[in-house]
Amino acid sequence: NAGVTQTPKFRILKIGQSMTLQCTQDMNHNYMYWYRQDPGMGLKLIYYSVGAGITDKGEVPNGYNVSRSTTEDFPLRLELAAPSQTSVYFCASSQQGPLAGANEQFFGPGTRLTVL
Amino acid sequence: GIQVEQSPPDLILQEGANSTLRCNFSDSVNNLQWFHQNPWGQLINLFYIPSGTKQNGRLSATTVATERYSLLYISSSQTTDSGVYFCAVRASGSARQLTFGSGTQLTVLP
Repeated sequence: NAGVTQTPKFRILKIGQSMTLQCTQDMNHNYMYWYRQDPGMGLKLIYYSVGAGITDKGEVPNGYNVSRSTTEDFPLRLELAAPSQTSVYFCASSQQGPLAGANEQFFGPGTRLTVL
Repeated sequence: GIQVEQSPPDLILQEGANSTLRCNFSDSVNNLQWFHQNPWGQLINLFYIPSGTKQNGRLSATTVATERYSLLYISSSQTTDSGVYFCAVRASGSARQLTFGSGTQLTVLP
């Protein structure tokens, strides 16, 4: 059981380039999330998904897009990279439901992105 | 939205000392988690504790939901406990995300 995996671990982009950050979970969780963490700060939600085919914006969605075609995968797309998107990106998943502990979120190892 | 405040912002301890980290939140919650972010940036789940008390080895946590705070206790601290400790909450009946506090930076000296 690998949990939540993310690729790549590190990436440097030039301004205006695009890329996709990959996220996969093998826990059959229905909810998935993308957060970003700026230096010295807590995490902020970019987008989330409550199931395959359903996504919604979080607190800081501008400049990003997501899709959820399967339960396991939740890629994050940056179309026109800007220096303000330099950050560490975390993917997370949870199994929402009435059972105790079902709402606990589990995080991937993160992707460190630098835009120059 | 819900506000999360953590204290202290920074804490320096000698190895073997005990410490208490506090998390205050401004509204009722149905999820509260404590995380340790190690020096490599990895987020480690410590506790899922929307209410009550839990213990795991040298760490324990208590959440008093009616008074809107949670405490994380670290006993007999070790250098490997160094890093940032985050409290994160999800407000009841609202958004799906966790709202994170700004963290407590813990440094344990040998």
